[in-house]
Amino acid sequence: DVKVTQSSRYLVKRTGEKVFLECVQDMDHENMFWYRQDPGLGLRLIYFSYDVKMKEKGDIPEGYSVSREKKERFSLILESASTNQTSMYLCASSLYPRQGGTFGSGTRLTVV
Amino acid sequence: TQLLEQSPQFLSIQEGENLTVYCNSSSVFSSLQWYRQEPGEGPVLLVTVVTGGEVKKLKRLTFQFGDARKDSSLHITAAQPGDTGLYLCSGGGADGLTFGKGTHLIIQP
Repeated sequence: DVKVTQSSRYLVKRTGEKVFLECVQDMDHENMFWYRQDPGLGLRLIYFSYDVKMKEKGDIPEGYSVSREKKERFSLILESASTNQTSMYLCASSLYPRQGGTFGSGTRLTVV
Repeated sequence: TQLLEQSPQFLSIQEGENLTVYCNSSSVFSSLQWYRQEPGEGPVLLVTVVTGGEVKKLKRLTFQFGDARKDSSLHITAAQPGDTGLYLCSGGGADGLTFGKGTHLIIQP
């Protein structure tokens, strides 16, 4: 069964901490995405990558960065966590860049 | 800017009833996907439609892509409590990938 695996289901971090969210896919997909999901706002794209070492800003990249050193792994980094980054974070990978693909189970991040 | 409007935003019905939810846009999409998401979980892909007028069936769920590829509908026959969840549509177009905000569906036993 194809999978997108996010390293943590729940995280609690303190304001100002550097936070790493890891995502690994086993489908050999070129395209990987990071979203955050908040009530009433839906899914919002943070960053995406169409290839190894390549990254593009999505709609809300401020306060975030990403790393894609290997095809199967796409990491989201919160440089200095703030309370307004408390959210559900979802990673996805897809065969085609303009098709929603397979999502991970999500990471519920709380910043205190 | 591509927008996908989903309606209704919330729907609560009794087990056994039929329902239809909609995903509409003024933009043309090359493909459209439907997902179901349960609380605390990631969205699970149900179907992808790519051809205008295309109809796909998944057990009691029927998905239709509009002829002009600007809209889609999801019809559920004889809804069951296990159908409860957030239904999301997403479309790929000239501006990239767009998600609707979803329809919250509750099926009461």
